[in-house]
Amino acid sequence: GQQLNQSPQSMFIQEGEDVSMNCTSSSIFNTWLWYKQDPGEGPVLLIALYKAGELTSNGRLTAQFGITRKDSFLNISASIPSDVGIYFCAGPFEYGNKLVFGAGTILRVKS
Amino acid sequence: DAGVIQSPRHEVTEMGQEVTLRCKPISGHNSLFWYRQTMMRGLELLIYFNNNVPIDDSGMPEDRFSAKMPNASFSTLKIQPSEPRDSAVYFCASANFHTKTLEQYFGPGTRLTVT
Repeated sequence: GQQLNQSPQSMFIQEGEDVSMNCTSSSIFNTWLWYKQDPGEGPVLLIALYKAGELTSNGRLTAQFGITRKDSFLNISASIPSDVGIYFCAGPFEYGNKLVFGAGTILRVKS
Repeated sequence: DAGVIQSPRHEVTEMGQEVTLRCKPISGHNSLFWYRQTMMRGLELLIYFNNNVPIDDSGMPEDRFSAKMPNASFSTLKIQPSEPRDSAVYFCASANFHTKTLEQYFGPGTRLTVT
């Protein structure tokens, strides 16, 4: 079935460092979504991408829709302690209007 | 604007008891999704509705689980009888199917503990 491979699984970085994570799919996507989940809360939509090559920013976050349409990248610049959480990528399932999610990247920030 | 509302936020129950989780989607959204999250299995889709009609329940673990959406502003997920392996965080999410953007908005979740 459809799979999303998200990497890295976890990161432990120093406050102020930049962060990069990515997601690859086994099939071509027309949408990529990036979510963040804070401890004890539900996932929150950060950025939505709809076009191959698209680069979209949301504050210190920047996400890109890969030109192959099989990958996406999320970058966080100048990390701060509140960036801690789990970051999920998601894309369309092969049918219907449901999503398939990556396993998540756990981000920890050392201050 | 109110987001997705879930209740209760925490539920502790004994094995064999019936559990009912509730969800109010974002006003105007016409798709509703129930997910379960565990450390072992991550985020799993259990069932989803479009226009109050169940579309795909292939993720529902077994007959002990049932979900209803009697109207556009309310849905329930019921587990009867509950078992310790049902302990997880259950999320409800809603979306606007007609925009075709697939963007889903999640509630804060219900943390279920079955002892």
